[in-house]
Amino acid sequence: NAGVMQNPRHLVRRRGQEARLRCSPMKGHSHVYWYRQLPEEGLKFMVYLQKENIIDESGMPKERFSAEFPKEGPSILRIQQVVRGDSAAYFCASSRLLDTYEQYFGPGTRLTVT
Amino acid sequence: GESVGLHLPTLSVQEGDNSIINCAYSNSASDYFIWYKQESGKGPQFIIDIRSNMDKRQGQRVTVLLNKTVKHLSLQIAATQPGDSAVYFCAETPRAAGNKLTFGGGTRVLVKP
Repeated sequence: NAGVMQNPRHLVRRRGQEARLRCSPMKGHSHVYWYRQLPEEGLKFMVYLQKENIIDESGMPKERFSAEFPKEGPSILRIQQVVRGDSAAYFCASSRLLDTYEQYFGPGTRLTVT
Repeated sequence: GESVGLHLPTLSVQEGDNSIINCAYSNSASDYFIWYKQESGKGPQFIIDIRSNMDKRQGQRVTVLLNKTVKHLSLQIAATQPGDSAVYFCAETPRAAGNKLTFGGGTRVLVKP
């Protein structure tokens, strides 16, 4: 009974490169959420997706950030032309239905931009 | 804007004592509240939740209290153990927010042996 999986767990990128973070939700879950966490801070909502649909991207920066959740395969959070301020832990959570509040979190991807 | 915040950034507790972690929220439309535990290098782990139509809920060694009048949430941990050392976050969401969680800043709990 695998939980939410994220890879890679650690990612190092130089300024200007692209970062791709992957999230596989729990089996049977069709709702995915991405959150960002800076050191010593709480998680901040970024985007909420269902299969092939972005439902709420109010927390996503307007530029360089994008997310998708294709019909097949994991959800991808993509950061283009990374800057040092993008260094953070990125967590994915999934839930089964819209009407449940329970979100299960993955272990996170720690992005370091050098 | 609306936010969820915590009163104490760090809480040191003697093993075996009870812990109380507090959280204030400002969104009166909040419908659902959750406490998460986050250990170093890991993702948040669900502890306990409570809906706005309740004022108390108990789990195994944990109790969540909700005071909607003053918009205050607390987590009580009974007989704190070394394994309880972690950062604890409260989170909330209004029904209309599509399950988008707003997290507080976190309280670090250190359990002393």
